[in-house]
Amino acid sequence: SQTIHQWPATLVQPVGSPLSLECTVEGTSNPNLYWYRQAAGRGLQLLFYSVGIGQISSEVPQNLSASRPQDRQFILSSKKLLLSDSGFYLCAWSGSGDEQFFGPGTRLTVL
Amino acid sequence: DQQVKQNSPSLSVQEGRISILNCDYTNSMFDYFLWYKKYPAEGPTFLISISSIKDKNEDGRFTVFLNKSAKHLSLHIVPSQPGDSAVYFCAARTTNDYKLSFGAGTTVTVRA
Repeated sequence: SQTIHQWPATLVQPVGSPLSLECTVEGTSNPNLYWYRQAAGRGLQLLFYSVGIGQISSEVPQNLSASRPQDRQFILSSKKLLLSDSGFYLCAWSGSGDEQFFGPGTRLTVL
Repeated sequence: DQQVKQNSPSLSVQEGRISILNCDYTNSMFDYFLWYKKYPAEGPTFLISISSIKDKNEDGRFTVFLNKSAKHLSLHIVPSQPGDSAVYFCAARTTNDYKLSFGAGTTVTVRA
């Protein structure tokens, strides 16, 4: 069966510090991968998606970037965090079906 | 531009009664719709879906209804149970598009 991992589960970072969140998927190959952010009291906003290694599409202009160095690894990064980057970050994958399957999420607080 | 809208941010229902969650969309190209359930500090889990070729899909206590002419779908939970207390997200996609558009969510509280 497929599983998706995200770490860390929680993170508190100062403004201006770098960020690296990692997501890995097991039990499937060539998945589509996604990064979402859920801000407080809001829905899920798609940040990036990837259909293959090195292929990244950005949905919204922002302070973040994404990379896919391996087939089942998706990384969300920032060189300098802003207060507005605080939120709940979710990684998801999909295969040939229509559903997306989400990881447990990372709670990021930027102080 | 929010293409999927859940206009009720919260819903309170008594245990054993029906919960009805509503969702509206603006993009007439959407042809697949999904509902996700999310507990605090966890990722959303897939609940039920419906294709635009159908107007109803049922899975146990959960039924989704689709009204394409009104661009409206709803999720019915019968009977509601305390474990159903969560945030429910409506999502939609178009054919050949990997991306899902999500609504803002509805927080359901089931009272004992």
